[in-house]
Amino acid sequence: DSGVTQTPKHLITATGQRVTLRCSPRSGDLSVYWYQQSLDQGLQFLIQYYNGEERAKGNILERFSAQQFPDLHSELNLSSLELGDSALYFCASSVGRTGIEGGYGYTFGSGTRLTVV
Amino acid sequence: DQQVKQNSPSLSVQEGRISILNCDYTNSMFDYFLWYKKYPAEGPTFLISISSIKDKNEDGRFTVFLNKSAKHLSLHIVPSQPGDSAVYFCAASDPFVNNNAGNMLTFGGGTRLMVKP
Repeated sequence: DSGVTQTPKHLITATGQRVTLRCSPRSGDLSVYWYQQSLDQGLQFLIQYYNGEERAKGNILERFSAQQFPDLHSELNLSSLELGDSALYFCASSVGRTGIEGGYGYTFGSGTRLTVV
Repeated sequence: DQQVKQNSPSLSVQEGRISILNCDYTNSMFDYFLWYKKYPAEGPTFLISISSIKDKNEDGRFTVFLNKSAKHLSLHIVPSQPGDSAVYFCAASDPFVNNNAGNMLTFGGGTRLMVKP
């Protein structure tokens, strides 16, 4: 158990629908990152939140949105789903910038596998 | 534009031999590089990292080499074990998109390593 909890683990939904993916970061971590991994692709950065505020944005579609709540858990909302949105969605957390010796490492959750049919 | 590339989607080696996984990058401003390992149905886990001011970092069976002039890094696993079979992701950190909230990592597409007994 990495300490980062993602729910649900699997989700099957129809095109045009909306889903919400949830992430609870590791205790003490203030930053949450969302990544998408499509079939045979690397991890594509979507968005980062720090202590409730959006801090960085990657290639996130306008149909997707996220937020981080006061208890630091985060939700990724995917709407008007298309077949191409089928992917693994990972959440990661970090305490923040730890400095070079701190390693810059993220702790990842086990992911949510979204299948759009 | 892929800033971090892992050109070998898969690699097969015999148990006890050396595994060499390669990664190329294009952004000369990257200041920190990391390797993550991913087993099926799990999130990526941090393996080893290297600062851009170094050319080698070693941790047990794992050694990462950085060649800044070639914008190339490699992960050596010696000796390889069947339990090392996993997907390995190379990642890089750009200080100019970092903030005190934590750094954004750019990931390569991954290399699937299979270690045969």
